[in-house]
This record gives sequence, structure tokens and C-alpha cells, in this order.
Amino acid sequence: DIQMTQSPTSLSASVGDRVTITCRASQSITTYLNWYQQKPGKAPKLLIYAASNLQGGVSSRFSGSGSGTDFTLTISSLQPEDFATYYCQQSYRTPITFGQGTRLDI
Amino acid sequence: EVQLVESGGGLVQPGGSLRLSCAASGFTFSGSWMYWVRQAPGKGLEWVSRIDTDGTSITYADSVKGRFTISRDNAKSTLFLQMNSLRTEDTAVYYCARVLGWADYWGQGTLVTVSS
Repeated sequence: DIQMTQSPTSLSASVGDRVTITCRASQSITTYLNWYQQKPGKAPKLLIYAASNLQGGVSSRFSGSGSGTDFTLTISSLQPEDFATYYCQQSYRTPITFGQGTRLDI
Repeated sequence: EVQLVESGGGLVQPGGSLRLSCAASGFTFSGSWMYWVRQAPGKGLEWVSRIDTDGTSITYADSVKGRFTISRDNAKSTLFLQMNSLRTEDTAVYYCARVLGWADYWGQGTLVTVSS
């Protein structure tokens, strides 16, 4: 199975900060990497697909980059609604696997 | 508008069975691969199963293989998850999601609690 490791697992930041979350795959997944945001009690929401493509309707302050084994999600200027948990997910091969999540707190 | 609505969750004893449903609307269900993903209380996301458009290609997580069965009824735009031999560790919110290589739409989830 492909293991997905996110860092950090938790992060404290302030409104207006630039934040970067890292995701590392245990083997190359080319660009089969997706990012999701989840708020408490809600379903996950797709932010970025195929490593760097912004899902429709998602703010342009979110961006993704990377290929192979190393990927990043960047939030350019944190807004109050961005405080949530973020997950990476590989869709290169089954079993589909998620990172353990990064909780972003104020 | 794309909508996915799960149902069928509830409280069941260990060893019992449940059948989850996911009613889809607002898109061509018969042309979409689908996932089930679960989330145990306070934990992260765990992929459970995937099905292709006509049910001929199906994969499962090792943790549910042999106990859970994914299926679909394209005429009724509905996805199913038959869960047998349930264990306490299957307690989770179960989500269905549409797949385009990535899960772009998710349902609101249905809670399954396995407890005596």
C-alpha cells in the first residue's frame, strides 16, 4: 500500500498568514494527489485535484504543487473560514489512501 | 445540482449486518465511478471501496474485504454498501462520493455504530 504522510499534523496560525502543508507519498504517484478540507461535522470538500488544479468554486488563495513523492498545499492569506482539517489523498493505485490530516487552528 | 444522500445507518450489535444506500441526483450516475469512505469518531478518513460505472470493477480495503459488498442500481441512481459481520471498529460515519479520479462530490454521511 502507498503510505501518505502529512506534516505538520497540527498548526496554529493567524488570519492573513501564509501557510504550507506538506504531503509525502511512500512511492511515486506522479500527480495523482488530491487535497480536501473538512470542517467539524461536515463532509470533506475537494480543494485541489491532480496535484495543482483548483476545483471549481474554490478560492484562489489555495494552491497545490508537487509531483512524484512530495506535494504541498499552500494557503496564501488565511481567512477565518479556512480553519479546518486538511487531508491529502493518493488516487494512483488502490487501496486509495489518505494522509492522517493536518488540523489548522487559530 | 449534484446531490448524494446516504441512509441506512444506525446502531447494530457486533456480528450484525446493515445495508447503506446513497441516492444520487443532478448528474449522470450511470457514468460515474463511486467511493465509500468512512471516518471513525475523532479519526481521519479511510477509503472503504470503489465501484466502476457498471459494477464490473470493484475494489475493497483489506479491513472490510470479505465482509462488505459494494453495488449499484443505475436505473435507480443508487449506490449500496452491504455490511456483514460488523465489528466495533467499523463504527464510523460512512460517506459516499462521486469519483472523477478524485472525489469531487460527497454526501453528508450516515453514522454506523457497532456496539452491544
